[in-house]
Amino acid sequence: NAGVTQTPKFQVLKTGQSMTLQCAQDMNHEYMSWYRQDPGMGLRLIHYSVGAGITDQGEVPNGYNVSRSTTEDFPLRLLSAAPSQTSVYFCASSYYGNGYTFGSGTRLTVV
Amino acid sequence: AQSVAQPEDQVNVAEGNPLTVKCTYSVSGNPYLFWYVQYPNRGLQFLLKYITGDNLVKGSYGFEAEFNKSQTSFHLKKPSALVSDSALYFCAVRTIGSSNTGKLIFGQGTTLQVKP
Repeated sequence: NAGVTQTPKFQVLKTGQSMTLQCAQDMNHEYMSWYRQDPGMGLRLIHYSVGAGITDQGEVPNGYNVSRSTTEDFPLRLLSAAPSQTSVYFCASSYYGNGYTFGSGTRLTVV
Repeated sequence: AQSVAQPEDQVNVAEGNPLTVKCTYSVSGNPYLFWYVQYPNRGLQFLLKYITGDNLVKGSYGFEAEFNKSQTSFHLKKPSALVSDSALYFCAVRTIGSSNTGKLIFGQGTTLQVKP
């Protein structure tokens, strides 16, 4: 039982490059979400999904896209990376909001 | 607007002393409340949650939290702090939107420093 798996763990991008952060869970959780963590700002919600085919925006969605084609996977796409997107990204999943399991995070640096 | 506040950026306590990390919330309806801990360069680990029932919730590693509806607070407590408790602590509240989305909103985090 792997829980929530995020890849890669570390990534350096140049401004303007694109990339996808991967998130997969094997707990059959219907709810998945992406957060970014910045010093002094806690975790801020980027996008979330309540099930396959359904996504919605969180607090800070600009510059990020998501899709949910399967229950297991919830990738986060950066179409044109900017230095302001330098952050640590966490994926989380939940069973009806009663408990949330977090991945180990992706540390992204945009230069 | 629904929100969570952790009024202290840092809490310092001596090992063996009791500790309290404060959290207040503002949500409509009945809240689901959570505490998470983050050790350096690690992900978030679940400590405890309040959904309904007894206002005193016991969690992992000897931590507990008290739900106070009148004061809209959910403070984290431990009777005797350990140096190994030093970490970043997050309070979070589940919000209920029109579609019952269950979004989890976090406070800013409180760094707990336990000194020997």
